[in-house]
Amino acid sequence: DGGITQSPKYLFRKEGQNVTLSCEQNLNHDAMYWYRQDPGQGLRLIYYSQIVNDFQKGDIAEGYSVSREKKESFPLTVTSAQKNPTAFYLCASSINRGSGYTFGSGTRLTVV
Amino acid sequence: ILNVEQSPQSLHVQEGDSTNFTCSFPSSNFYALHWYRWETAKSPEALFVMTLNGDEKKKGRISATLNTKEGYSYLYIKGSQPEDSATYLCASAIITTSGTYKYIFGTGTRLKVLA
Repeated sequence: DGGITQSPKYLFRKEGQNVTLSCEQNLNHDAMYWYRQDPGQGLRLIYYSQIVNDFQKGDIAEGYSVSREKKESFPLTVTSAQKNPTAFYLCASSINRGSGYTFGSGTRLTVV
Repeated sequence: ILNVEQSPQSLHVQEGDSTNFTCSFPSSNFYALHWYRWETAKSPEALFVMTLNGDEKKKGRISATLNTKEGYSYLYIKGSQPEDSATYLCASAIITTSGTYKYIFGTGTRLKVLA
């Protein structure tokens, strides 16, 4: 079955450490996205990639970095520069930038 | 500031009741309106993609309408069942001045259907 896999489901990080969230898809989708959800807010776009080896900042990219070396994979690194990293992170993919999304099941990151 | 507003934020209905909720979105530079259903501990699942003014889509007991001129969409659930309990998200896709697409998500409507 095609889909998106995010791992891990729960992640704890000490302050000052970088951490990488994994996102893999086998849908052959060109576009991939990272969103962040905070209580009472809509999903906010961190980064997106429309094609391999290319990615663009979203609305809240500061303190995050991504890579897109393979079509299937779009890992997100939460760096120590991210001031408030505790949140729920969702990865998504789509055939292209304007079409509907397929989502992963999310990673909940907690900074301790 | 471009915002997508969903109302109500949450609601409880009895099994068998019909219900509806609203998504308001920017009507300018409109490209598409998406509805997603998000059950707890699962991934959001696409329900409808709507593009044309006056569009009506239906999937089982769930249907949606679209008014792009005034910037709103309604989602209806007929004869609600406990398994309909979820958060219903809408997202508006607009075309930006640079010709790219931008998605704006609402905060969702949390539906709880009581047996």
